[in-house]
Amino acid sequence: EAGVAQSPRYKIIEKRQSVAFWCNPISGHATLYWYQQILGQGPKLLIQFQNNGVVDDSQLPKDRFSAERLKGVDSTLKIQPAKLEDSAVYLCASSTQGLELFFGEGSRLTVL
Amino acid sequence: RKEVEQDPGPFNVPEGATVAFNCTYSNSASQSFFWYRQDCRKEPKLLMSVYSSGNEDGRFTAQLNRASQYISLLIRDSKLSDSATYLCVVTVNSGNTPLVFGKGTRLSVIA
Repeated sequence: EAGVAQSPRYKIIEKRQSVAFWCNPISGHATLYWYQQILGQGPKLLIQFQNNGVVDDSQLPKDRFSAERLKGVDSTLKIQPAKLEDSAVYLCASSTQGLELFFGEGSRLTVL
Repeated sequence: RKEVEQDPGPFNVPEGATVAFNCTYSNSASQSFFWYRQDCRKEPKLLMSVYSSGNEDGRFTAQLNRASQYISLLIRDSKLSDSATYLCVVTVNSGNTPLVFGKGTRLSVIA
């Protein structure tokens, strides 16, 4: 069974530029999550989708971050404009009815 | 008080040692608890769920203390391959409520 796919794996941009990350969850997983993991910290939930609806986006900095999951399958996370403190690994995860999260390998962002 | 708190470590232990980590949570309504393992520069993976009655999987034992609002993970007979960061995860309910991760406890098992 294919796992959660994410791209790009690495991205380096300058502050104030924009960046987009893509995630394709495990087939059949209705719930999709985007987490931000800063070095030395645990993952922090940015947004949670159930199919194509948003369940929780309370910690998403909406002035610069946006995410969509238009057809209830794959998802994109965008940052515009990026700040230095956005340097982190962006982890996408998916799950079914149960609570086990399956994570992708992550997209590592460096903002210079 | 943070939602989920863990001692960041690092815990440096020799092979064969027994090591235990605790994790405290602030929301008394929390219902589900997990330990995830994260290897260096890798994604987190579920290690085990934590049930009210506690559960054991080989060398790993997880326990829940609702009265004191903490969960624990015990690793017996530590192996070099156990070196990783162990993340405590808590959620109020299943399905539609977010899973909250602790910062993780780093374990290094030394030969």
